[in-house]
Amino acid sequence: RKEVEQDPGPFNVPEGATVAFNCTYSNSASQSFFWYRQDCRKEPKLLMSVYSSGNEDGRFTAQLNRASQYISLLIRDSKLSDSATYLCVVNLRGGQGGKLIFGQGTELSVKP
Amino acid sequence: DGGITQSPKYLFRKEGQNVTLSCEQNLNHDAMYWYRQDPGQGLRLIYYSQIVNDFQKGDIAEGYSVSREKKESFPLTVTSAQKNPTAFYLCASSQNPGAGNTEAFFGQGTRLTVV
Repeated sequence: RKEVEQDPGPFNVPEGATVAFNCTYSNSASQSFFWYRQDCRKEPKLLMSVYSSGNEDGRFTAQLNRASQYISLLIRDSKLSDSATYLCVVNLRGGQGGKLIFGQGTELSVKP
Repeated sequence: DGGITQSPKYLFRKEGQNVTLSCEQNLNHDAMYWYRQDPGQGLRLIYYSQIVNDFQKGDIAEGYSVSREKKESFPLTVTSAQKNPTAFYLCASSQNPGAGNTEAFFGQGTRLTVV
């Protein structure tokens, strides 16, 4: 089983749609969590950190469920500019402190 | 401006050659990472380092080597033992990741092609 697994995608949605991405992680020592965005042939950039209480940034909402080892990202009112690949990232602490593990990414395509 | 710089942006290697990819950061970050990304795939961890003069293997370290002689620098050597080196290589850094919720910053990547 992969340490971090995401919905395979691609997700093809119309503008204005709401889309949700899911991510599961296998290591209970995982300490912190992030969503990154990667545009084609570019480096990943941080979209948002994911906090235990859940957090929102404009149209984006991230949730964490430690009991189920599950992370989600919700995008409301999708824009054409949201088209990208979304990467779930987990930071392992403890004996493997500071090891950042990426999911395989979920591709989103927003159409007019 | 603070940031993380990778060079070169594009690199061509003949079969059987070793090549070294540069990664430098001026963010005063403790941890540095090397990832490999193949087309349509996620990022796979090659090596990572949390402090100077120490580094650990990631999931796909075979055929690669690294050094961490300075905090700012984490070069990656792709050796001739790496049988399929053509890929997009990404270097990242983060501040004291063992302490908790710290994000990683990426360089712009190096595209390596074997010719």
